Amino acid sequence: GAGVSQSPRYKVAKRGQDVALRCDPISGHVSLFWYQQALGQGPEFLTYFQNEAQLDKSGLPSDRFFAERPEGSVSTLKIQRTQQEDSAVYLCASTGQRDLYEQYFGPGTRLTVT
Amino acid sequence: AQSVTQLGSHVSVSEGALVLLRCNYSSSVPPYLFWYVQYPNQGLQLLLKYTTGATLVKGINGFEAEFKKSETSFHLTKPSAHMSDAAEYFCAVTTTGTASKLTFGTGTRLQVTL
Repeated sequence: GAGVSQSPRYKVAKRGQDVALRCDPISGHVSLFWYQQALGQGPEFLTYFQNEAQLDKSGLPSDRFFAERPEGSVSTLKIQRTQQEDSAVYLCASTGQRDLYEQYFGPGTRLTVT
Repeated sequence: AQSVTQLGSHVSVSEGALVLLRCNYSSSVPPYLFWYVQYPNQGLQLLLKYTTGATLVKGINGFEAEFKKSETSFHLTKPSAHMSDAAEYFCAVTTTGTASKLTFGTGTRLQVTL
């Protein structure tokens, strides 16, 4: 079956531009997570959705970061006025109801801000 | 709050030798523990997890880990390394009260030499 997909896989943005990163979770998965992975580091939690509800956004680094999941399936992470420190790989993960603790990760979007 | 420490950012072993990747955690409540593997330009793949029950957990590709509460450890082992095991490995922790958002260590890069 299809796994978690993310697009684009690579994104280059000039400083100050807005970007939108898309995540397609596994069909039927209720929970969706976004993580940020800086070079040489482990992923860090950004935000979490259960269906369309954003239940935890404590990891979003600034108000330039915004995430949505309006119909409880596809999610978009938007970064406004990108800064160089936003350069990272953005990972999306989803979990099903059968095992809430098994997260399935997408391949990530590598964002480079120049 | 929980945290994970992975000792050794780089580990090199010979093919056929024992693999030991160290992970120590900190958590004020019973933890759920995970090991993920990341190949270049790919997302994270779950190797194994400990939630409850047996403390020795077996995963994919011949890996296993043992939860030791007294040592707050969850080290990953494999009796005989294969060239295909070369990758980045991440230990992660969550608890029941955190909606399963993961806290990751900084990762250990495993190199396998002939």
